Amino acid sequence: DIQMTQSPSSLSASVGDRVTVTCRAGQTISSYLNWYQQKPGKAPKLLIFAASSLQSGVPSRFTGSGSGTDFTLTISSLQPEDFATYYCQQSYSNPYTFGQGTKLEIK
Amino acid sequence: QLQLQESGPGLVKPSETLSLTCTVSGASISSSTYYWGWFRQPPGNGLEWIGSLSSGGTTYYTPSLESRVTISVEKSKNQFSLRLTSVTAADTAVYYCARQRWELLPEYNYFDPWGQGTLVTVSS
Repeated sequence: DIQMTQSPSSLSASVGDRVTVTCRAGQTISSYLNWYQQKPGKAPKLLIFAASSLQSGVPSRFTGSGSGTDFTLTISSLQPEDFATYYCQQSYSNPYTFGQGTKLEIK
Repeated sequence: QLQLQESGPGLVKPSETLSLTCTVSGASISSSTYYWGWFRQPPGNGLEWIGSLSSGGTTYYTPSLESRVTISVEKSKNQFSLRLTSVTAADTAVYYCARQRWELLPEYNYFDPWGQGTLVTVSS
């Protein structure tokens, strides 16, 4: 299995802050890296696919970058609705695996 | 607008079989463009992919569950299903279904949208 390691596990930030979450794959996964946002009691929502492609309807303050083993999700200016848990997922090989999640909390 | 909805028993006894159905609306499950997948999330924990199904019926599963899981399609009802046998308390989770889009050129493979999820508790 390809291990996905996210950092940090939790993050406190303020509205308007720029935040970055990193995700490292245990082996190269090309650009088969997706980012999801999950709010309590809700299903995950796709934000970024193929490492850097913004899903339709997702605000442009979300950007993804990286390839190979190292990836980042950046939120340029945090909004109140962005406080949630973020997961990276590799879809390069079976089994598709997720990072452990990054919980973004209000400072 | 594509929507997915999970349904099935919320309580299953240990050693029995967990059966869930995902009803798809707004798109044909027979479309060759899509795959369809199942995930689960134990309470307070992270996400786990269980397996996926192609429109042609090809399935692939996470190795850790492969001996106990079956994903199948009911095209006439625009549904796909999950069966997990010999369940234990460790199978207690919220189960999600999702549409999978997988292309080689350009390269992408992602899950969107997801159903709202359904909690399945394994307990006697």
